[in-house]
Amino acid sequence: AQTVTQSQPEMSVQEAETVTLSCTYDTSESDYYLFWYKQPPSRQMILVIRQEAYKQQNATENRFSVNFQKAAKSFSLKISDSQLGDAAMYFCAYRSAQGGTSYGKLTFGQGTILTVHP
Amino acid sequence: DAGVTQSPTHLIKTRGQQVTLRCSPKSGHDTVSWYQQALGQGPQFIFQYYEEEERQRGNFPDRFSGHQFPNYSSELNVNALLLGDSALYLCASSSGLQGAYSNQPQHFGDGTRLSIL
Repeated sequence: AQTVTQSQPEMSVQEAETVTLSCTYDTSESDYYLFWYKQPPSRQMILVIRQEAYKQQNATENRFSVNFQKAAKSFSLKISDSQLGDAAMYFCAYRSAQGGTSYGKLTFGQGTILTVHP
Repeated sequence: DAGVTQSPTHLIKTRGQQVTLRCSPKSGHDTVSWYQQALGQGPQFIFQYYEEEERQRGNFPDRFSGHQFPNYSSELNVNALLLGDSALYLCASSSGLQGAYSNQPQHFGDGTRLSIL
């Protein structure tokens, strides 16, 4: 079974600064997808960025980028130019790409609470 | 374009009762997944429905059951409620059965907060 670990329960950053959230995962599969979701106090889980394991190039979405290290099974999220609206709980998630009995199941980490200071 | 909608937003029940939660997927989506999120934790996968069938199930007891209707909406039923069932229940929708070669992300609703007294 796959596991996802987020070792930072809480992180803080000053507005306009850069912060990196860590995520490691354990899997024996070679094909999979990785996601970062953001959950503000409003509760809705919002997709921030995704990465296909077969792609060597790190995904980027505006101020959000990832550092995907497949051999190390590491998938960190970098937020540049942090804004007050970035404050939320961030979850790293894994999904198998090999079908079979793993259809659509997202495995989440424990989450990291990000505080942004003005 | 309506996103994933869940009802009710908040529900209070007592131990032993039964509850039904509802979910309408995002327009154009036909697959619905349910997750349970305990306070301060990451969501845990309950099950996924596609073409009105349960396609995959997480480590949840048979007290948790579901249904998907022809219009793709879904229900989550929990029988014999326990105090430990208190959680935020999230519904997520996506397009197509998410097997191999599908990078389509799941879109989440706002969840139903279930409190058991």
